[in-house]
Amino acid sequence: SYELTQPSSVSVSPGQTARITCSGDVLAKKYARWFQQKPGQAPVLVIYKDSERPSGIPERFSGSSSGTTVTLTISGAQVEDEADYYCYSAADNNRAVFGTGTKVTVL
Amino acid sequence: EVRLVQSGAEVKKPGESLKISCQGSGYNFANYWIGWVRQVPGKGLEWMGIIYPDDSDTRYSPSFQGQVTISADKSINTAYLQWSSLKASDSAMYYCARGGFIAPDYWGQGTLVTLSS
Repeated sequence: SYELTQPSSVSVSPGQTARITCSGDVLAKKYARWFQQKPGQAPVLVIYKDSERPSGIPERFSGSSSGTTVTLTISGAQVEDEADYYCYSAADNNRAVFGTGTKVTVL
Repeated sequence: EVRLVQSGAEVKKPGESLKISCQGSGYNFANYWIGWVRQVPGKGLEWMGIIYPDDSDTRYSPSFQGQVTISADKSINTAYLQWSSLKASDSAMYYCARGGFIAPDYWGQGTLVTLSS
């Protein structure tokens, strides 16, 4: 199936580590991306090619992959990291899917 | 600096037509796929389709094939999303994003479309 499943919510205390998983068969063969979306704002790319970080994204954001699951880790989460996070993968330029989304709460 | 600037919010009635736009700058617009993503309030992200401005090669997600039309004018670095007859279910935020299905990276600020009878 061409679906990406994420937990609906993750809570973390400031300074602690948040981990968000994303599972789907396509991830065994294709790279994943992660997008952060704060309320009222457009999504922002935070991870590409499973674990690469675009310029300007803080080092506390990292990604990893194992089999059919990818993980976004926020090490030392900050209050400003509260947002929805979506994983993403594309088989080719005819088929792509966003994950179901995870709301991260930092409190 | 790469920027995608979208047209402003719209309030329309069911059955009306609509065309919204996304203008790119800071990169070679013609040679990057650009597409449209729908987000219903409080819900997730859905790809609608993509276009390659240089030759207008267009791909639609199955859910949106026949429901919308995506086009681009490379002479003015602008992509478009249009409806011929809006439905109440078209109320949503619409984003453009550079990079197509394979490598979306930069996003526009979004255009809110509200349907009201």
